Amino acid sequence: KQEVTQIPAALSVPEGENLVLNCSFTDSAIYNLQWFRQDPGKGLTSLLLIQSSQREQTSGRLNASLDKSSGRSTLYIAASQPGDSATYLCAVSTTGDYKLSFGAGTTVTVRA
Amino acid sequence: SAVISQKPSRDICQRGTSLTIQCQVDSQVTMMFWYRQQPGQSLTLIATANQGSEATYESGFVIDKFPISRPNLTFSTLTVSNMSPEDSSIYLCSVWGVKSAGVSSYEQYFGPGTRLTVT
Repeated sequence: KQEVTQIPAALSVPEGENLVLNCSFTDSAIYNLQWFRQDPGKGLTSLLLIQSSQREQTSGRLNASLDKSSGRSTLYIAASQPGDSATYLCAVSTTGDYKLSFGAGTTVTVRA
Repeated sequence: SAVISQKPSRDICQRGTSLTIQCQVDSQVTMMFWYRQQPGQSLTLIATANQGSEATYESGFVIDKFPISRPNLTFSTLTVSNMSPEDSSIYLCSVWGVKSAGVSSYEQYFGPGTRLTVT
């Protein structure tokens, strides 16, 4: 069974600092890895999708890397803003079934 | 991407009753899923909603408790039956394989969720 771990569980930084969020998974036979953002009481917003054949994806201030062999992904958010405050979830899809296994999330607070 | 709506957005229900949650997508999709997010927890997959056939349930979830329908490529329902306070959660619909201009997307998209409180 795929186990997904996110470290740290919570993070508080001053505005402008870069954020580094870590995700690890136990089974390297993944189809893809997806990073989501969840605001309190809301659904999930897809941020980045990395296919198993890719090593990184970028969108604006966000960059996500994937190292399948070590079972790790890292989400970088450059020049953080108070609007980046949310819970960030990492989710892994195992080859073929498209079902997602989620980590517990990292709750980010960016202080103005 | 896809626009996904869920009804109701929230509800407060009495123990022993049932609630049906609807999920509507604005595009045809290959897969539809139902997840549960208990208070303070991450998401857990309940089942895969299969078009025109019985849903596929994950370990710990059964059809009698969570009957699911998917009559077409854009709509699904989840019923939470004989509710107890332990069923208080956010229930989220998600989709994979959004078809647009003949191409399917690999991203999974989520609805806004239904916040259920059972008293």
